Amino acid sequence: GAVVSQHPSRVICKSGTSVKIECRSLDFQATTMFWYRQFPKQSLMLMATSNEGSKATYEQGVEKDKFLINHASLTLSTLTVTSAHPEDSSFYICSASFRARRTEAFFGQGTRLTVV
Amino acid sequence: GQQLNQSPQSMFIQEGEDVSMNCTSSSIFNTWLWYKQDPGEGPVLLIALYKAGELTSNGRLTAQFGITRKDSFLNISASIPSDVGIYFCAGQLIPGTYKYIFGTGTRLKVLA
Repeated sequence: GAVVSQHPSRVICKSGTSVKIECRSLDFQATTMFWYRQFPKQSLMLMATSNEGSKATYEQGVEKDKFLINHASLTLSTLTVTSAHPEDSSFYICSASFRARRTEAFFGQGTRLTVV
Repeated sequence: GQQLNQSPQSMFIQEGEDVSMNCTSSSIFNTWLWYKQDPGEGPVLLIALYKAGELTSNGRLTAQFGITRKDSFLNISASIPSDVGIYFCAGQLIPGTYKYIFGTGTRLKVLA
């Protein structure tokens, strides 16, 4: 149980375009979903916290207009990188938590974004 | 953003050896989680700790929640080649928010 699926696993886009990444909880309803960014050989940096049906809470320094988060249902959250630039290239990972195991977070496989 | 200090940063060990790594912070945490991440993949949860002093095992892995609530340790016994990867600790800073701060990571390489 507690499977989180992310799609796509890899994406290459042109500078100036927008890219949407999906995060789904496959076998549970996610109370909260989190979006992280990870640079090569570095740790995970929390970007934002998203609760179903409400606006996402962004960490300091993360541009909310740049990284649009939509948590439309208890099983799906999306991250849209708008007007992507090469410096947005990174590994983006989502995680999800649910009430029965509220202190544990389960991660998706990650999405490698390359902006050319 | 805030991070937890993890040590060692990397380590090479021989197959069969035991491994020990730790995570420290100046802040008190309510929950500690330990994850393993393989290249190009998301982290996989290994062990969760909920109480100060708690010692929990998962197969060859054992982790402890420090008494001061500012640190945690992960031990791997009799390492095998598939233990290779990056190990992250994560601490829950604010109870009930499900929000975790991650450690800087320990990169483990096992020599057969």
